[in-house]
Amino acid sequence: DSGVTQTPKHLITATGQRVTLRCSPRSGDLSVYWYQQSLDQGLQFLIQYYNGEERAKGNILERFSAQQFPDLHSELNLSSLELGDSALYFCASSVGSSSWEQYFGPGTRLTVT
Amino acid sequence: GQQLNQSPQSMFIQEGEDVSMNCTSSSIFNTWLWYKQDPGEGPVLLIALYKAGELTSNGRLTAQFGITRKDSFLNISASIPSDVGIYFCAGPGGGGATNKLIFGTGTLLAVQP
Repeated sequence: DSGVTQTPKHLITATGQRVTLRCSPRSGDLSVYWYQQSLDQGLQFLIQYYNGEERAKGNILERFSAQQFPDLHSELNLSSLELGDSALYFCASSVGSSSWEQYFGPGTRLTVT
Repeated sequence: GQQLNQSPQSMFIQEGEDVSMNCTSSSIFNTWLWYKQDPGEGPVLLIALYKAGELTSNGRLTAQFGITRKDSFLNISASIPSDVGIYFCAGPGGGGATNKLIFGTGTLLAVQP
């Protein structure tokens, strides 16, 4: 158990819908990262937050957004969902902005039908 | 952009055999991380390397930071069935104030009892 929690574990929704994925980092970790894992693209970095502030963006679609709240939990919002958004979404956390050791949650499997 | 290539793509071995896999980068890295992912689970951090030539062990696992700083190696000794999974290397995904990671293509390990 990494100490990172994610909900829900599974999510099935229809095209065009909007969903919110939730992540709670390990106790004491200030950085939260979101990754997408698909069969054809592998593990891809989406976005990082550090202590409530956006720190970096990867290949995140404009339809996707995220935020980190004062209690340090984070939410990833996916809107206008398309079939190609079906993937595993992982949250990871690390102690600070200078630690490379990231600890991953169990993931949310999103299926768009 | 930066790419991490892992080889082999897959390995099918007998229990008790030793395993070797590697990861190569198109650019120099200052940090290498090795993760293992079980089906339907999040990646688990195995070993972190921070210095060229460094050799670090975690139980039956040993990883090395290549002296060229463009490669890293992971060895598993006396494999057991629970070693089954996908092994990913990862490294720094860009400069600036971010600790985002880029991940390799993965090596699938299957162990036959």
